[in-house]
Amino acid sequence: DSGVTQTPKHLITATGQRVTLRCSPRSGDLSVYWYQQSLDQGLQFLIQYYNGEERAKGNILERFSAQQFPDLHSELNLSSLELGDSALYFCASSPRTSGRSDTQYFGPGTRLTVL
Amino acid sequence: AQKVTQAQTEISVVEKEDVTLDCVYETRDTTYYLFWYKQPPSGELVFLIRRNSFDEQNEISGRYSWNFQKSTSSFNFTITASQVVDSAVYFCALSEARRGYQKVTFGTGTKLQVIP
Repeated sequence: DSGVTQTPKHLITATGQRVTLRCSPRSGDLSVYWYQQSLDQGLQFLIQYYNGEERAKGNILERFSAQQFPDLHSELNLSSLELGDSALYFCASSPRTSGRSDTQYFGPGTRLTVL
Repeated sequence: AQKVTQAQTEISVVEKEDVTLDCVYETRDTTYYLFWYKQPPSGELVFLIRRNSFDEQNEISGRYSWNFQKSTSSFNFTITASQVVDSAVYFCALSEARRGYQKVTFGTGTKLQVIP
């Protein structure tokens, strides 16, 4: 158990809908990262937050947004869902923001299926 | 730009065989960190090891060992006497620090199947 929690574990929804994925980082970690893992794209970095502030963006679509709250939990919002958004979404956390030595610990993931 | 290449897409071995998973990386930084993660069939990503670019000593942890060679930009992972529980997808990753954020690039993964 990495200490990172994600809910829900599974999510099935329809095209055009909006969903929210939730992540609680390890105790004491200030950085939260979101990744998308799909069969054709592999593990893709989406976005990083540090202590409530957005710090880096990767391959995140405009239909997707995220935020980190004062209690450090984070939510990833996916809207106008398309079939291609079906994937495993991971949250990871690390203690700092730019420490190259930081290890990112991953949550169990949320499997999103868009029908 | 940083890049991690795991050329082996899938490997099958018979239980108790040794297996080496290859990882080759590209980076312009002189200081960086390399990682290996395991993703079993259950789906979670499990951290295995972190190695910094200044430490080229090989590391052994039980049946797992890692060979870091800066000269060839490789960070290979060997499982000795493989077991069925080792069946998983293994990811190599490279971390570089940028102003204000950490950038981690993952390889495409190697799927290891250990046959009983």
